[in-house]
Amino acid sequence: DVVLTQSPLSLPVTLGQPASISCRSSQGLVSFDGNTYLNWFQQRPGQSPRRLIYKISNRDSGVPDRFSGSGSGTDFTLKISRVEAEDVGVYYCMQGTHWYTFGQGTKLEIK
Amino acid sequence: EVQLEESGGGLVQPGGSLRLSCAASGFSLSNYWMHWVRQGPGKGLVWVSRIGSDGNFIHYADSVKGRFTISRDNAKNTLYLQMSSLRVEDTAVYYCVRDVQGLGDSWGQGTRVTVSS
Repeated sequence: DVVLTQSPLSLPVTLGQPASISCRSSQGLVSFDGNTYLNWFQQRPGQSPRRLIYKISNRDSGVPDRFSGSGSGTDFTLKISRVEAEDVGVYYCMQGTHWYTFGQGTKLEIK
Repeated sequence: EVQLEESGGGLVQPGGSLRLSCAASGFSLSNYWMHWVRQGPGKGLVWVSRIGSDGNFIHYADSVKGRFTISRDNAKNTLYLQMSSLRVEDTAVYYCVRDVQGLGDSWGQGTRVTVSS
């Protein structure tokens, strides 16, 4: 099974400052069709998850452009250019190349 | 507006059964692959099962294989998860999730399943 390891697991950030979350896969995530199915999700307290990014770097509709995704192979990153109060929550990476696996989650809080 | 509404959760004893439903609105379920994802109390997200748009391409996580059955009724725009031989560790919120450009473009609000004696 593919294991996704996120770091850090806890991320205190000052409002207006950038934040970055790493997601490392135990296997390469390039699919037979050439796509890399690495997504990022946000789960605000008490809410259902919401997808932010699909296939490494594509923002979902309505997602602010302060969120960006990058990476390749086994190393991927979610960046928030300037953290806002509404960004508090848990962030998960997920791979859909070798069936489906989620990372452990990174809890973002305001410092 | 795309909406997914799960129902059917509740309290059940170990070894018991439940059937979850997910009613879709705002789109035609028949055009999409669908998933069930669960989240244990205070824990992370875990993928449970997937079904193709025509009821094909069914797959399960090892932890539920042989005990859970995913199905769909496209005419009723509804997705199902039949759960049997339930275990304490199946306790979770179960989410119905749509697949567009991969898993997760739309999620329901979840339905809570508690397995306890």
